[in-house]
Amino acid sequence: DAGVTQSPTHLIKTRGQQVTLRCSPKSGHDTVSWYQQALGQGPQFIFQYYEEEERQRGNFPDRFSGHQFPNYSSELNVNALLLGDSALYLCASSSGWEQFFGPGTRLTVL
Amino acid sequence: EDQVTQSPEALRLQEGESSSLNCSYTVSGLRGLFWYRQDPGKGPEFLFTLYSAGEEKEKERLKATLTKKESFLHITAPKPEDSATYLCAVQEGEGSTLGRLYFGRGTQLTVWP
Repeated sequence: DAGVTQSPTHLIKTRGQQVTLRCSPKSGHDTVSWYQQALGQGPQFIFQYYEEEERQRGNFPDRFSGHQFPNYSSELNVNALLLGDSALYLCASSSGWEQFFGPGTRLTVL
Repeated sequence: EDQVTQSPEALRLQEGESSSLNCSYTVSGLRGLFWYRQDPGKGPEFLFTLYSAGEEKEKERLKATLTKKESFLHITAPKPEDSATYLCAVQEGEGSTLGRLYFGRGTQLTVWP
């Protein structure tokens, strides 16, 4: 049984560009959450998707948007990239209270 | 204001030297407290969930406990492979059906032979 998978593993972009990150949840999980983790910090909640709807959002600007598909997979889109968006982006899936994380996507903005 | 504070920020132990990591929280209506292990450049790995004060859970050399204000992760006779960053996260419950986690900054544990 595959766990949470994310793609790509690494990504390098320049300021002003747009990026799309992808996540496939663990089998049987219907909820996907996205987190941003800067170096040396704990993960910060971006938003959570359930039944293809964004149902909770953290303190992130509208440049961060997402989508959940009928098969429960999800995308995170970031527009107009800033240097400060460089981080490890983590996807977590759940079907109850416990969230299981994927390996993350390392985004570097130059 | 941070909802979750972890201490110490970093801890160096000799192999076999037991110790404890602390996680204090200020959220109201705690639904659950979670411990994760994170290796460099990787996603957090789930360890434990604690739901109510007095609850304890164990896994190999790790034991997690919970009070009304804090949680401890006790590491007994650690080995070098226990070296990692240990993250604590809380989930609020009162008036909410949502699953957002609030994380601390973690404790970076190094166990040397």
